[in-house]
Amino acid sequence: DAKTTQPPSMDCAEGRAANLPCNHSTISGNEYVYWYRQIHSQGPQYIIHGLKNNETNEMASLIITEDRKSSTLILPHATLRDTAVYYCIVRESYNQGGKLIFGQGTELSVKP
Amino acid sequence: KAGVTQTPRYLIKTRGQQVTLSCSPISGHRSVSWYQQTPGQGLQFLFEYFSETQRNKGNFPGRFSGRQFSNSRSEMNVSTLELGDSALYLCASSPDPTSTDTQYFGPGTRLTVL
Repeated sequence: DAKTTQPPSMDCAEGRAANLPCNHSTISGNEYVYWYRQIHSQGPQYIIHGLKNNETNEMASLIITEDRKSSTLILPHATLRDTAVYYCIVRESYNQGGKLIFGQGTELSVKP
Repeated sequence: KAGVTQTPRYLIKTRGQQVTLSCSPISGHRSVSWYQQTPGQGLQFLFEYFSETQRNKGNFPGRFSGRQFSNSRSEMNVSTLELGDSALYLCASSPDPTSTDTQYFGPGTRLTVL
């Protein structure tokens, strides 16, 4: 079963920051948090991942709380093309199999 | 570098038939994972192959099988198709099956079973 809980849907105004929350209270010390998004039945697109430090790349920032029980994905300037389902995933450790266990995700709608 | 490719992109079969789907990973990637996506169950892990060996398997019946070739290309096979097998089948590749090597997904194969 997925180890993450996300709100089913969120809205964001175009040009504003989109902050997508994720709870993963049962995460283990060596499990990574991954974020993917899926645009209308295309293959999921990798966004970012992290273990315990905050991470930033050209697409987004990932903020992980100190206790690692929750995280937030930040899209700094959302555009209409960011409308998608966003999946927060706690990836199994290598010894457990390293699988990505997807939950239901958050459907983000970016509105003009 | 070319991304993950999957063929065919669309497929229509009838109940009882079998189907084979193909996945070519990103060049240099040795691990290939397969997922099934349906509206009711979401994205579910099927299996993973690494160095031509099945390393991991999800909770699917034996009708679902796969294999990996020496060039890391992978195929999955579904025998005795059922209506519930209609889904988007996704393949993902990564350099190695570690928890830090990112999996990159292909566009998927849309299978419709009539």
